[in-house]
Amino acid sequence: GAVVSQHPSWVICKSGTSVKIECRSLDFQATTMFWYRQFPKQSLMLMATSNEGSKATYEQGVEKDKFLINHASLTLSTLTVTSAHPEDSSFYICSASAGRDFYEQYFGPGTRLTVT
Amino acid sequence: GQNIDQPTEMTATEGAIVQINCTYQTSGFNGLFWYQQHAGEAPTFLSYNVLDGLEEKGRFSSFLSRSKGYSYLLLKELQMKDSASYLCAVSDSNYQLIWGAGTKLIIKP
Repeated sequence: GAVVSQHPSWVICKSGTSVKIECRSLDFQATTMFWYRQFPKQSLMLMATSNEGSKATYEQGVEKDKFLINHASLTLSTLTVTSAHPEDSSFYICSASAGRDFYEQYFGPGTRLTVT
Repeated sequence: GQNIDQPTEMTATEGAIVQINCTYQTSGFNGLFWYQQHAGEAPTFLSYNVLDGLEEKGRFSSFLSRSKGYSYLLLKELQMKDSASYLCAVSDSNYQLIWGAGTKLIIKP
């Protein structure tokens, strides 16, 4: 089946530093990748949608200069949290789909970010 | 606005049957998904409905009524490992997923 990996699975960083999270589709080409954030006991919140080779589309309220998304290839998307603060601590999950008429999204395992 | 409603929490007994409801109002409809999410983990896909009716997959079944904006997830022969959150999500006219807040299912022995 379709597999999506994320790296790292967890990361602790100091306030003010930047953290990069990678999302890879291992056995299929993902024309679209999605980045979600989930705070404890809350539902997934879509942050942005990225299509390979084009700029990401950010949801309202998500700062594009703070959460940099690069979808450079059909198998890799990265999310960089710049100048992280404790309130950015969250569970970040990516998902990938093979195209517009997708049947389902394939989720990565998630990355737990803790900013101290 | 777009809205997905599902109960916050449900409790059921091991071996029993439980039905988790989901109602939605969205701009367009391109299918409804159910995901299971264990604490601290990413969601895993359970089912997809785009036509009215019941889809059965082993112990899990999902039902959709588009005219009523309603779906349910039916879990039979409950096991302790079924304790998780169950997320309902609707694909709107732009194929974007609109997520419900999830239903936390607690299974008791």
